[in-house]
Amino acid sequence: DAGVIQSPRHEVTEMGQEVTLRCKPISGHNSLFWYRQTMMRGLELLIYFNNNVPIDDSGMPEDRFSAKMPNASFSTLKIQPSEPRDSAVYFCASSLVGGLAGATLSYEQYFGPGTRLTVT
Amino acid sequence: KNEVEQSPQNLTAQEGEFITINCSYSVGISALHWLQQHPGGGIVSLFMLSSGKKKHGRLIATINIQEKHSSLHITASHPRDSAVYICAAHRMNYGGSQGNLIFGKGTKLSVKP
Repeated sequence: DAGVIQSPRHEVTEMGQEVTLRCKPISGHNSLFWYRQTMMRGLELLIYFNNNVPIDDSGMPEDRFSAKMPNASFSTLKIQPSEPRDSAVYFCASSLVGGLAGATLSYEQYFGPGTRLTVT
Repeated sequence: KNEVEQSPQNLTAQEGEFITINCSYSVGISALHWLQQHPGGGIVSLFMLSSGKKKHGRLIATINIQEKHSSLHITASHPRDSAVYICAAHRMNYGGSQGNLIFGKGTKLSVKP
């Protein structure tokens, strides 16, 4: 298996431009997570999807951020317009999550290599 | 106070030493992850546990739900273990369903030869 695939690996853009980050989860996984990592704040969960449906987007910082998962094999995180403070490494991860009698069982997450975003 | 606290922040050890990294949390959780981030930036999930103890090679993770505490141990440490180790707790929502992940700030481990 190729693992979680993210593209691009590096993105440099000017303030005000639209940025789209892409993620392909591991085949068969039903949950997908978008994280952001900065020196100041460490790792933060932005949003996660289960069966292509956004479950918790409380970590999305502002309306400038949006995420979609049109099918089980693809997700995007879009920033429009981008700002210098959005500069960070953005990770995507996938896992298998099962539901049983109202509770959920989570399994280990597999991380992509990350996209290093620089907004000048 | 952060909901997930790790200690120590930085740790330097000599090759062969036994290492312990601690993680305390203040919220109800459904599971706890230990992650390893290599100097190059890649993140690997080491363990996901909700009770007891798990072992993988020289790595051991334990969790005490009553005390809201988890530890990651590395036996016979090696320079290639040098990395940042991050604890992440799956918050438990009302009703027991899985909530979002909250992260510790990480422990930077450096193992000297």
